[in-house]
Amino acid sequence: DADVTQTPRNRITKTGKRIMLECSQTKGHDRMYWYRQDPGLGLRLIYYSFDVKDINKGEISDGYSVSRQAQAKFSLSLESAIPNQTALYFCATGGGGYNEQFFGPGTRLTVL
Amino acid sequence: ELKVEQNPLFLSMQEGKNYTIYCNYSTTSDRLYWYRQDPGKSLESLFVLLSNGAVKQEGRLMASLDTKARLSTLHITAAVHDLSATYFCAVDISIQFYFGTGTSLTVIP
Repeated sequence: DADVTQTPRNRITKTGKRIMLECSQTKGHDRMYWYRQDPGLGLRLIYYSFDVKDINKGEISDGYSVSRQAQAKFSLSLESAIPNQTALYFCATGGGGYNEQFFGPGTRLTVL
Repeated sequence: ELKVEQNPLFLSMQEGKNYTIYCNYSTTSDRLYWYRQDPGKSLESLFVLLSNGAVKQEGRLMASLDTKARLSTLHITAAVHDLSATYFCAVDISIQFYFGTGTSLTVIP
């Protein structure tokens, strides 16, 4: 089984809808991250969490919110989706002595 | 503003040739990571570079880090088709990663 899982893997929605993307991990890491990937822009950090009680905004948090339900679960919400939020979204965990990050398979979100 | 710049952005090379991808960053960091992404897939960790002068090698890929120059290189030796992918560097600043824009590598037979 994969160490970092994301659901759904693909989602098409309409402008104004509320969307939740979920991430679960079995790596036992405290740190979890949400990124979005756009062509030509690399990955940009949306939110990150160092533990259940510690949530921080990243570079591009506007229009997004998160919830850390447990050490193993970190959800990303788009309260009112807009077309420029169409992107590939990745969850990642971080831990260990090298602070390496491990990525989930990604969620492809399309907002019409 | 922190910048992480990779070049080239696109690279088309013939099998058997050598080439280097560059990653420059604009602030102090002792930790740099290289990832590979295949089309439609997630990111796979390639190298973790943790100090000035660090060099790591795996197969036909070798990565190095010069923290004084704020530069990391990913060198490809005798390229093969299986190396075709997008390669990202990422700089660790206070446990946040800042990614380069990626280098899309195509190896032509």
